[in-house]
Amino acid sequence: GQQVMQIPQYQHVQEGEDFTTYCNSSTTLSNIQWYKQRPGGHPVFLIQLVKSGEVKKQKRLTFQFGEAKKNSSLHITATQTTDVGTYFCAGPRSNDYKLSFGAGTTVTVRA
Amino acid sequence: NAGVTQTPKFRILKIGQSMTLQCAQDMNHNYMYWYRQDPGMGLKLIYYSVGAGITDKGEVPNGYNVSRSTTEDFPLRLELAAPSQTSVYFCASSYELHRATSTNEKLFFGSGTQLSVL
Repeated sequence: GQQVMQIPQYQHVQEGEDFTTYCNSSTTLSNIQWYKQRPGGHPVFLIQLVKSGEVKKQKRLTFQFGEAKKNSSLHITATQTTDVGTYFCAGPRSNDYKLSFGAGTTVTVRA
Repeated sequence: NAGVTQTPKFRILKIGQSMTLQCAQDMNHNYMYWYRQDPGMGLKLIYYSVGAGITDKGEVPNGYNVSRSTTEDFPLRLELAAPSQTSVYFCASSYELHRATSTNEKLFFGSGTQLSVL
């Protein structure tokens, strides 16, 4: 069945540096969503990408959907301590439309 | 609006005990979901509901039961707790099911229930 894979599982970043986390699907996705979960908190919706090659920005966060709609990335510039948490991507499975979540990328920041 | 409310926040069960995790939403969403989150494993769908009286299994339904008597409430029942059910449980709701290509299908999560079975 469809799986959504995320890499890396952990990302340790120096404050002020940039980093990217990647999401890959074994099948084509109609859309992809990104969520952020702060330590001890619950996932919160960040954004949804729908179109092939789509790029969306939210302040220092840049989200991209691949041309083949099988991968996505989240790039954070000038990382801050407020970026700490786990970032999940999720895509609807083609057979039943249930969201399949990646395992997440857990981000820690060194001040 | 309170959004999605889950109770309790923490619970410790002994093997074989039963309990119900409560979930309520006040956004008039038709679609509600139960997920479990294990370390490094992401979120796995246990059960979901597309409306009052209608429920269906997700990826990991064994050992759980649900009911949906009203639009607002979607309780999750553990009948015979097992150590493998130690996890963090999240209830979520959405305005639309995940087939659409609009942000109306985004999930709103509750604050979670941390359950330990010893």
